Amino acid sequence: GAVVSQHPSRVICKSGTSVKIECRSLDFQATTMFWYRQFPKQSLMLMATSNEGSKATYEQGVEKDKFLINHASLTLSTLTVTSAHPEDSSFYICSASAVRYSNQPQHFGDGTRLSIL
Amino acid sequence: GENVEQHPSTLSVQEGDSAVIKCTYSDSASNYFPWYKQELGKRPQLIIDIRSNVGEKKDQRIAVTLNKTAKHFSLHITETQPEDSAVYFCASRPNQAGTALIFGKGTTLSVSS
Repeated sequence: GAVVSQHPSRVICKSGTSVKIECRSLDFQATTMFWYRQFPKQSLMLMATSNEGSKATYEQGVEKDKFLINHASLTLSTLTVTSAHPEDSSFYICSASAVRYSNQPQHFGDGTRLSIL
Repeated sequence: GENVEQHPSTLSVQEGDSAVIKCTYSDSASNYFPWYKQELGKRPQLIIDIRSNVGEKKDQRIAVTLNKTAKHFSLHITETQPEDSAVYFCASRPNQAGTALIFGKGTTLSVSS
């Protein structure tokens, strides 16, 4: 089945640090990947839609200069949290859909737990 | 944009009882409705999904029903077991390539033995 790999699984760093999270589709090509953020005991909130070879589309209220998204290939999207602060601490999770199947399930990565001290 | 409402937020049942979680959606163009189970600290796991050309789908103890006219869909778990305890999310998505799932707020299901 479709596999999405997300790395790293956990990051603990000081305030002001920039953190990069990678999301890879291992056995399928994904023109579109999605980035979600989940605070404790809350739902998954869509942050942005990452399109291969073009600019990401951000949801209302998500700062594009704060959360930089790059989708340079059909198998890799990265999210960089720039100058992270404690309020950015959260569970970040990516997902992807296969190119060939526009109406198929989204496959999720294992998520990245980001803790900013 | 799409809005998904999910109820109840918490649900406690005895082992062996049935559990029902309900969701409503706002976008009539939505035609894909998955349900995810998420255990603490882990990614959501797809447990069942339904498309708008189907009214009901069943997989062993889990079933999902869809009423497109009323724009609501429900998850039914029968013969619940303690290992069913988790947070369950419904989601919806329009039939449009490159569109993200929009999630409900989740239901914390507790099954006591």
